Amino acid sequence: GDSVTQMEGPVTLSEEAFLTINCTYTATGYPSLFWYVQYPGEGLQLLLKATKADDKGSNKGFEATYRKETTSFHLEKGSVQVSDSAVYFCALNDYKLSFGAGTTVTVRA
Amino acid sequence: NAGVTQTPKFQVLKTGQSMTLQCAQDMNHNSMYWYRQDPGMGLRLIYYSASEGTTDKGEVPNGYNVSRLNKREFSLRLESAAPSQTSVYFCASMPDGSYNEQFFGPGTRLTVL
Repeated sequence: GDSVTQMEGPVTLSEEAFLTINCTYTATGYPSLFWYVQYPGEGLQLLLKATKADDKGSNKGFEATYRKETTSFHLEKGSVQVSDSAVYFCALNDYKLSFGAGTTVTVRA
Repeated sequence: NAGVTQTPKFQVLKTGQSMTLQCAQDMNHNSMYWYRQDPGMGLRLIYYSASEGTTDKGEVPNGYNVSRLNKREFSLRLESAAPSQTSVYFCASMPDGSYNEQFFGPGTRLTVL
């Protein structure tokens, strides 16, 4: 079945550091790929998405590119802020949504 | 638009008690979902409803029942709560069309003693 594997955390960074969270997937079809973010005490919010190979999703300085050849959708941000501290989930939708386990990111001032 | 709303936000139950978690969406979505979130396990699908009047089991349905009351509302019932059901529960809805994103409610934090 479909599955998502993402980098285990927690990840602790200093402000302005570069962030990468790795995500790879297994799917039988051609899924859409998503990154969701969960801030403390809140529900999940869509951060960005890509619906086909080579698409790049971007939002709030975050980017991820749909790489079909490596079945990956890694999340990157060039300069993180304290407000980026959250849990990040990679997910795919191939008729139903499958989530990775989540990566907790803490950014220190 | 309120989006997806859930009640209650917090609940403490004793083993064996029952309760219903409520979810409503005002985005006219046909599809609705219930997930549970446990540390290190991401979100796991409990039940979903592709349209009013239909429900289907997800990955972890045991111990739960659902009702799709109308297009807006999708409730989750625990008939006899167990400590293993201590979790954060999220409701979500999704617009029609292929491979769309889901919209999530704020969650219900449930503790079963």
